Amino acid sequence: SQKIEQNSEALNIQEGKTATLTCNYTNYSPAYLQWYRQDPGRGPVFLLLIRENEKEKRKERLKVTFDTTLKQSLFHITASQPADSATYLCAPIRYNFNKFYFGSGTKLNVKP
Amino acid sequence: EAQVTQNPRYLITVTGKKLTVTCSQNMNHEYMSWYRQDPGLGLRQIYYSMNVEVTDKGDVPEGYKVSRKEKRNFPLILESPSPNQTSLYFCASSSGTSGRTNEQFFGPGTRLTVL
Repeated sequence: SQKIEQNSEALNIQEGKTATLTCNYTNYSPAYLQWYRQDPGRGPVFLLLIRENEKEKRKERLKVTFDTTLKQSLFHITASQPADSATYLCAPIRYNFNKFYFGSGTKLNVKP
Repeated sequence: EAQVTQNPRYLITVTGKKLTVTCSQNMNHEYMSWYRQDPGLGLRQIYYSMNVEVTDKGDVPEGYKVSRKEKRNFPLILESPSPNQTSLYFCASSSGTSGRTNEQFFGPGTRLTVL
């Protein structure tokens, strides 16, 4: 069965630094990969979608990479701010497959 | 305002007492989905619907039912709730019939406790 791994340990970084979160998947080849942000007790909020033929996608301070050989996506937040503190979820999605599977998320703490 | 609404937001009930959690979206989205979120297990899909009268099982459908009689509504039904269904539930919707390439909009969540 497909397996999605995100670092379960919280990532603690200093304000202004770049945060890098990892999403690894095994046993399947996704055609798309979505990243979401979730604040405590609230629903996830969509951030970015990257397709398998896109190596990199950017949106403001966010950057996502998609390495289909390594079966990995990296999510970067540059110039991080305390307001970026949240849990970040990835969802690798198979082509022509309507079910969604999410990673368990990585909690990011940005300290002032 | 474009949104997904869920009701109730909080519910405490007892084993075996049927309940329904409503979900409604005002964005004319085709794709709707229910998830449950548990500590350590992450977000797991229960059921999804690609359009009116089209529903299918997600990863953890046991003990749940859904229906999609109207485009905007996608209720989640627990016919005989059990304590292992205590969880935080989210409804989501997306344009397109698959949600694969479009963002999912999530509701605020329903915290359910089954005693």
